Amino acid sequence: DIQMTQSPSSVSASVGDRVTITCRARQGISSWLAWYQQKPGRAPKLLIYGASTLQSGVPSRFSGSRSGTDFTLTITSLQPEDVATYYCQQANSFPLTFGGGTKVEIK
Amino acid sequence: QVQLVESGGGVVQPGRSLRVSCAASGFSFSRHSMHWVRQAPGKGLEWVAFISYDGNNEYYADSVQGQFTISRDNSKNTLYLQMNSLRPDDTAVYYCVRDSDPAQLGIFDYWGQGILVTVST
Repeated sequence: DIQMTQSPSSVSASVGDRVTITCRARQGISSWLAWYQQKPGRAPKLLIYGASTLQSGVPSRFSGSRSGTDFTLTITSLQPEDVATYYCQQANSFPLTFGGGTKVEIK
Repeated sequence: QVQLVESGGGVVQPGRSLRVSCAASGFSFSRHSMHWVRQAPGKGLEWVAFISYDGNNEYYADSVQGQFTISRDNSKNTLYLQMNSLRPDDTAVYYCVRDSDPAQLGIFDYWGQGILVTVST
């Protein structure tokens, strides 16, 4: 199984701040990585796939990048509606696996 | 618009069975692979099972292999998850999820609202 290690587990930032979340794959997964946003009490929502492709309708303040087996989700200007838990997920091979999640809060 | 509506959840005793269903609408169900993903209370997301668009291929998480069975009825636009020998650690919200395939296999582009399954005496 491909283990996905996500950090930090939580982050508190001010409105307008830049927030960065990292996900590391234990082995190579090419760019087969997605990011999801889950707001409290809601189902997750796809934000980014292919490591850096923004899903339709997702605000452009969200972006994703890859460096080897390290992946990054960046929120360039944090907004109140971005309060949520964010998960990475590898789509390289079965079993599909998620990172442990990063809870984003407003300071 | 794409809709995935789960049903059939509830409270079940350990060792018993339960089948949850997912009614799909707003897209060509028979052209998309589907998944079940679960989330235990206060925990992260866990992928559970996959079924290909035609039902010919299935994959399972090690934690449910041999215990759960995913199936689909393309004539009814419905996805199923048969859960047997349930244990307390199967307690979770179960999400029906559409795969973005043929765009990219293994990406979850639409999620249902989720259904709670509680395994308890």
